Amino acid sequence: NAGVTQTPKFRVLKTGQSMTLLCAQDMNHEYMYWYRQDPGMGLRLIHYSVGEGTTAKGEVPDGYNVSRLKKQNFLLGLESAAPSQTSVYFCASSYGGQIYEQYFGPGTRLTVT
Amino acid sequence: AQSVSQHNHHVILSEAASLELGCNYSYGGTVNLFWYVQYPGQHLQLLLKYFSGDPLVKGIKGFEAEFIKSKFSFNLRKPSVQWSDTAEYFCAGGSSASKIIFGSGTRLSIRP
Repeated sequence: NAGVTQTPKFRVLKTGQSMTLLCAQDMNHEYMYWYRQDPGMGLRLIHYSVGEGTTAKGEVPDGYNVSRLKKQNFLLGLESAAPSQTSVYFCASSYGGQIYEQYFGPGTRLTVT
Repeated sequence: AQSVSQHNHHVILSEAASLELGCNYSYGGTVNLFWYVQYPGQHLQLLLKYFSGDPLVKGIKGFEAEFIKSKFSFNLRKPSVQWSDTAEYFCAGGSSASKIIFGSGTRLSIRP
């Protein structure tokens, strides 16, 4: 099993450009999450999904959109990138229900200039 | 408001020293607590977890944590650290799978 994979690994955007980050998991997990990691601030939840076709806002959703059209994929979109979105983005998944431990992807380092 | 706090931002130890990293949580309902580790350049991995039962939880690589309900704490311990334990450690907790909160992390540096 590949676990949780993310593409791309690195990306540089100019302010105002758009992009989509792809997360895929092969563990048949119901729940999927997108976090951003910034120095000294730990992981902050952007959006999450509790099943195919569902999405919900997390702690810092502004400027991001997500979609979960297939159970195994969770996409994070930036419609108009801003320098404040420079960060490392992690995707995670979990079984949900009473099993909360999360499995993380390798991360995407995004720089917005 | 729910919160998970890690008060040690950066800890520096020599090899073979004992380790204790603090974690305090503040939320009601079912207690589910985790410690994750992030080695340099890698993704987060689960070290250990507590859902119920024995408050002393043993994890991988010789780590353990103790849940003390009266202190709202879930501190991570290791009796003797190695250089390979250099990493960032995150405490996390929540009352449901959609409400997991991460602490700000503690960077651990081990002097060889």
